[in-house]
Order: sequence, then C-alpha cells, then structure tokens
Amino acid sequence: GQQLNQSPQSMFIQEGEDVSMNCTSSSIFNTWLWYKQEPGEGPVLLIALYKAGELTSNGRLTAQFGITRKDSFLNISASIPSDVGIYFCAGQNYGGSQGNLIFGKGTKLSVKP
Amino acid sequence: NAGVTQTPKFQVLKTGQSMTLQCAQDMNHNSMYWYRQDPGMGLRLIYYSASEGTTDKGEVPNGYNVSRLNKREFSLRLESAAPSQTSVYFCASSTTGPSRTGELFFGEGSRLTVL
Repeated sequence: GQQLNQSPQSMFIQEGEDVSMNCTSSSIFNTWLWYKQEPGEGPVLLIALYKAGELTSNGRLTAQFGITRKDSFLNISASIPSDVGIYFCAGQNYGGSQGNLIFGKGTKLSVKP
Repeated sequence: NAGVTQTPKFQVLKTGQSMTLQCAQDMNHNSMYWYRQDPGMGLRLIYYSASEGTTDKGEVPNGYNVSRLNKREFSLRLESAAPSQTSVYFCASSTTGPSRTGELFFGEGSRLTVL
C-alpha cells in the first residue's frame, strides 16, 4: 500500500532556531496535511494544502505542497518551547473511499530553552 | 465546545476480556474514524464510518468491531482483548465533501493496556 516517509524521526533544537521537516511518497496525493500532537493529547490540524506548489502559512509555520505532488515540507521559524510535540504529515486522494488518509510516522521535536 | 469526546481515557484489561470504547462528536460531522497509535508506527486506521449507517474496514481491523449508533456516536469494541491491542486509541471526525475529508478533529485518546 501507499507509504509516507517522514524525516527526520526526531530533532533536538535550541529555542529560537528554525526547523524543517519533510514528507515524501512514491505515490501522488491530491491533499497534504500537517498535524501536531502534544504529549497526552490527540493530533490537531495545523495546515491543509490542496494544490501542487501551494505555500501556506499559519503564524510561524509554513508548509508547501510539492510540485510533483509526491512531497510536502513544514518549516517552523524561531522555535519556542511550546512547539514541542510530534508533527505528522498526512496525504490523501479525495474521491472514492474516505478511509484513504495516510499518515507518516511523525517527527518528534524537542526544544531546549 | 466539546468537539470529540472519548471514554474511558484509561483502561486496563486482562487477556480475553471485552470492552467498548465510546466516542461522540458535537460538530454535526458525517464521517467518524477509529485509529490506534503505537510507538514508532504513527496512526493506523482501524475502522471508519463515512456516514450514519455505514462502516468500513481500515488498515488494521482484525480483533475489532464498530457500531455507528447515530450521527454523533461511533463505538469501538474489543470482543476478546489481546496484549497486541495495548495501544492508544483515537476517535476522529470530519466533514463530508469532495476535498476536505482529511481535515480530522481528534479526541484526546483512550489508553488501553491488556495484560
């Protein structure tokens, strides 16, 4: 089946640093989404991307839908301690089954004050 | 707003016992989902319900059953729990539409341990 490769698996950074993570697939997706999960909580949607090449920002977060439709990137600028958590990418092809959302395995972000 | 509410939040079972995880959403969403999360495995879909009255298998349905009781509620049942079902279970919901069904709203999770 389809798989997403998310990297890096984990990151340890200093407060104030910028962060980049990405997600790649051998298959094309029509939608890319990024979720954040804080300890003990459920994932929360950060950004949804619906068009190849689309660049979308949400505060200090910026995500891009790759031109090939096989990848997506998430950048966090000027990290702060509350950015700690696991970031998941997810890809979906709409139309047909609604159970076709595929999640990456996550990037665990730790921020040192 | 409550959003997606799951109960119980924690549960310890013995092998062979049965239990039901309950989920309710108050956002008038048509679609509901059950995922399990294991360390290093990400989120894996167990079952989903695209609309009231329908349910479908996801990636890892073995050992589970579901019931879409009404538009608000979607329950997950373990008939005979096994240690391999030790996990954190998440319920989620989404609106129905041609392109926005990936925008999921998750509950806080139910942490299940099977001894």
